[in-house]
Amino acid sequence: DIQMTQSPSSLSASVGDRVTITCRASQGISNSLAWYQQRPGKAPKLLLFAASRLDSGVPSRFSGSGSGTDYTLTISSLQPEDFASYYCQQYFTFPWTFGQGTKVEIK
Amino acid sequence: QVQLVQSGAEVKKPGSSVKVSCATSGGTFSAYPISWLRQAPGQGLEWMGNFISMFGTSKKAQKFQDRITITADESTSTAYMELGSLRSEDTAVYYCARVAHTGYLDYWGQGTLVTVSS
Repeated sequence: DIQMTQSPSSLSASVGDRVTITCRASQGISNSLAWYQQRPGKAPKLLLFAASRLDSGVPSRFSGSGSGTDYTLTISSLQPEDFASYYCQQYFTFPWTFGQGTKVEIK
Repeated sequence: QVQLVQSGAEVKKPGSSVKVSCATSGGTFSAYPISWLRQAPGQGLEWMGNFISMFGTSKKAQKFQDRITITADESTSTAYMELGSLRSEDTAVYYCARVAHTGYLDYWGQGTLVTVSS
């Protein structure tokens, strides 16, 4: 199985901060990577797919990059509604696997 | 718009089984696989398996191979996940999600809490 290692597991930031979350796959996944946001008590919501493609309706402050085994989610200017948990997912091969999550908290 | 609506919370005894439904609307049911995932309390997301309506087949995670049955009723655009031989570690929120063409999950159900307790 492909292991997805996400870092950090949590971070504290202020509104307006630039935030970066990384996800490393145990083998190359050819940009078959998605990022999800999950607010407490809610279902995950798709933010990006194919490593860098923004899903419809997702604000442009979210962006993704990377290749091979290393990927990054960046929030350019953190907004109050962005305080949530974020997960990466590889869909390169079965079983699909997720990072352990990054909780973004208010500083 | 596309919506996935799951059945309500369940409390089950160890050793029993649970069947969760996922009613879809707003899209062509047979055109997209449905994934089932779960999230234990305070934990991350775990993929359990997919149902590919177009072929009437399923793909399951090895961990659940012997205990999970994933089906669908195309006439009602509803997918089902049944998990058997329940144990306390199966206590989790179970989600269904629509699989976009390459494998990411673009629409999610609201989740179904399954509690396994004696």
